[in-house]
Amino acid sequence: GQQLNQSPQSMFIQEGEDVSMNCTSSSIFNTWLWYKQEPGEGPVLLIALYKAGELTSNGRLTAQFGITRKDSFLNISASIPSDVGIYFCAGRTSNTGKLIFGQGTTLQVKP
Amino acid sequence: DAGVIQSPRHEVTEMGQEVTLRCKPISGHDYLFWYRQTMMRGLELLIYFNNNVPIDDSGMPEDRFSAKMPNASFSTLKIQPSEPRDSAVYFCASSTGEASGSSETQYFGPGTRLLVL
Repeated sequence: GQQLNQSPQSMFIQEGEDVSMNCTSSSIFNTWLWYKQEPGEGPVLLIALYKAGELTSNGRLTAQFGITRKDSFLNISASIPSDVGIYFCAGRTSNTGKLIFGQGTTLQVKP
Repeated sequence: DAGVIQSPRHEVTEMGQEVTLRCKPISGHDYLFWYRQTMMRGLELLIYFNNNVPIDDSGMPEDRFSAKMPNASFSTLKIQPSEPRDSAVYFCASSTGEASGSSETQYFGPGTRLLVL
């Protein structure tokens, strides 16, 4: 079945550093989404991407929809302690309503 | 808007007991999704509904799991009988549509943390 490989699995960085994480797929997706999940809560949508090559920003977050439609990355600039959480990528193919989720990237930020 | 509402937030039960999880989607959303999250398997889609009709239940683990959506504002996920391996966080999510565009963004509830002893 469809799978998403998300990396890295975890990151421990210093406050102020930039962060980059990515997802790759064996299938072509027509939608890429990035979510953040904090402890005890459900995932919250950060950025949605709908076109190959699309680059979208949301504050300090920037995400891109890969040209091949099989990958996406999320960058966080100038990280702060409240960026701590688990970041998930999710993708959708054109012939199903299902979202396929990556395994998540756990981010820890040291003040 | 209150967002997606799930109850209970926590459930501890003994193996063999019936468990019922509840979800109220965001008003006006016509898609509802049930997910399960575990450390080993991550986020897995169990089933989703469109206009109260189940569309895809291929993610439902086995016959012990069942889901219903009797109306646009309420859905249940039932496990009977429950087993320790069912312990997980169960999320409900809702969205306005399936087509491309911002309308298909899924909004997640806070989850129900289930522990089966």
